Amino acid sequence: QVQLVESGGGLVKPGGSLRLSCAASGFTFSDYYMSWIRQAPGKGLEWVSYISSSSSYTNYADSVKGRFTISRDNAKNSLYLQMNSLRAEDTAVYYCARITMVRGDAFDIWGQGTMVTVSS
Amino acid sequence: SSELTQDPAVSVALGQTVRITCQGDSLRSYYASWYQQKPGQAPVLVIYGKNNRPSGIPDRFSGSSSGNTASLTITGAQAEDEADYYCNSRDSSGNPYVFGTGTKVTVL
Repeated sequence: QVQLVESGGGLVKPGGSLRLSCAASGFTFSDYYMSWIRQAPGKGLEWVSYISSSSSYTNYADSVKGRFTISRDNAKNSLYLQMNSLRAEDTAVYYCARITMVRGDAFDIWGQGTMVTVSS
Repeated sequence: SSELTQDPAVSVALGQTVRITCQGDSLRSYYASWYQQKPGQAPVLVIYGKNNRPSGIPDRFSGSSSGNTASLTITGAQAEDEADYYCNSRDSSGNPYVFGTGTKVTVL
């Protein structure tokens, strides 16, 4: 079945780095734009970044620009988020999501999320 | 960047109809998509585009839009519809995607 599974979350000190991964299965990964979306504890959803199907285009939320880097490996059906210079306000559950652009943009498949905690 | 504003909470009697609204300038140019999130779970897409439901989403969920307001309507709300609901749209100013503030729906 269509599935996204995130990994790589954990506890990291402020200023530290972490790399999240998202393994895709059940669909042709290389056909889709992909995105990272996060949710701080008790808060709403915040879009973080997206990457085009061939990695030609990337975009980032202002809150993470210059610190986070999105990438993908279509041969491995995997999406990544390299997070550097982490701050307390980056603490959140991070979801990877598939973007559909048929009849309007939407995040149609989500992973279960991976928790990132930035604390000393 | 643009914002999408939702009422923080609404309640609905079992079997009745509830409308959840989402307001923002970006909705004048782009369709909204809607997501249901239950406690401890990932969001699930329920409506996208003009009024499209992904496979498996009950037809009691519908979407509409007028001007700067998008709406999600649940016709005949069920106990399992109790959840947080978020809207989302593209945005031509600032970040390319923006989420609404979220609405907690309680089914009485």
